[in-house]
Amino acid sequence: SQQGEEDPQALSIQEGENATMNCSYKTSINNLQWYRQNSGRGLVHLILIRSNEREKHSGRLRVTLDTSKKSSSLLITASRAADTASYFCAFSGSARQLTFGSGTQLTVLP
Amino acid sequence: DAGVIQSPRHEVTEMGQEVTLRCKPISGHNSLFWYRQTMMRGLELLIYFNNNVPIDDSGMPEDRFSAKMPNASFSTLKIQPSEPRDSAVYFCASRWSGTGARETQYFGPGTRLLVL
Repeated sequence: SQQGEEDPQALSIQEGENATMNCSYKTSINNLQWYRQNSGRGLVHLILIRSNEREKHSGRLRVTLDTSKKSSSLLITASRAADTASYFCAFSGSARQLTFGSGTQLTVLP
Repeated sequence: DAGVIQSPRHEVTEMGQEVTLRCKPISGHNSLFWYRQTMMRGLELLIYFNNNVPIDDSGMPEDRFSAKMPNASFSTLKIQPSEPRDSAVYFCASRWSGTGARETQYFGPGTRLLVL
């Protein structure tokens, strides 16, 4: 299965700024999820957006989905140093298994 | 809940040796996934089980790789013989798959494998 692509590959911002990461995919999807991975750890689920939804919020996270463009974005508002991690999009199609994107390495400078 | 448990956390072995990675999924979850993560290839799905039955093993790279799930609380991923290119972090993940399931996967901490 083909991976999704994410951009940027790396993002460095100051604490308090917003961080935006983008994900593109090529297949039809049932839902799209975002995961976070701290260095040396496993992935942790952040948020899921279904194919019939356009926007979803969870705390400081905002996810948008544009199925016509086959793209999604993750916005982290008021970033903190503790948000430093890699962020992966993952999409689920008819096979109900996840295909992960290439990831964005976010560094939030204090 | 203890979450997904993987062992060992780190493994260093020599080329040609057999390697066995272990995973205990979250109690009550009925789907289990094995992934491999490398810098070059990112996160790849190797195989997944549903109700202890292998559903899709198309990601298993070669016959040297095999996976089993003898019961709902235990799975193994075996590499025999191991090669240096197998060096990676191997993750196990589980989820509940049923009517109305959210398809959120819960990942273990991973096994960092180095084959010399």
